[in-house]
Amino acid sequence: DSGVTQTPKHLITATGQRVTLRCSPRSGDLSVYWYQQSLDQGLQFLIQYYNGEERAKGNILERFSAQQFPDLHSELNLSSLELGDSALYFCASSRSGGAGTEAFFGQGTRLTVV
Amino acid sequence: DAKTTQPTSMDCAEGRAANLPCNHSTISGNEYVYWYRQIHSQGPQYIIHGLKNNETNEMASLIITEDRKSSTLILPHATLRDTAVYYCIVRPIRGSARQLTFGSGTQLTVLP
Repeated sequence: DSGVTQTPKHLITATGQRVTLRCSPRSGDLSVYWYQQSLDQGLQFLIQYYNGEERAKGNILERFSAQQFPDLHSELNLSSLELGDSALYFCASSRSGGAGTEAFFGQGTRLTVV
Repeated sequence: DAKTTQPTSMDCAEGRAANLPCNHSTISGNEYVYWYRQIHSQGPQYIIHGLKNNETNEMASLIITEDRKSSTLILPHATLRDTAVYYCIVRPIRGSARQLTFGSGTQLTVLP
């Protein structure tokens, strides 16, 4: 158990809908990362937050947004969902935003868009 | 970020050492080498990281060449549960882009 909690574990929704994925980082971790893993793309970095502020942005679509709250949990919002958004979404957390600290991943949310 | 090159797949006999190579010939002095693994659709699991010196922990050893252009992850006594995709990642020490950038990794299959 990495200590990173993601909910829900599975989500099935229809095209055009909006969903929210939640991540609770390990206790004391200030940095949260979101990744998407689809069958043909591998693990793709989406966005990073550090202590409530956006730190880095990757290949995140405009239909997607995220935020980190004062209690440090984070949410990833996916809207106007398309079939191609079906994927595993992982959250990771680390003590700081620096590279010398390891990041620990949650078990992911499997999103299926039908 | 420096790119890494890993073999697509490797096999290893159970109980033997698994040696997973990684080339990162364009690595710069301010970049770490990280190793993660992913067991089928589970969240990636941190294994080990290093900058210049060899590192060892309860899971594995990391050997980094003196010129830092390549490294080897060693699982000393592989078990069936070590079957996974192993990712070698180079990560900047500073700057905004300190996220982990995953490549294709090496599929390690431990055979009974």
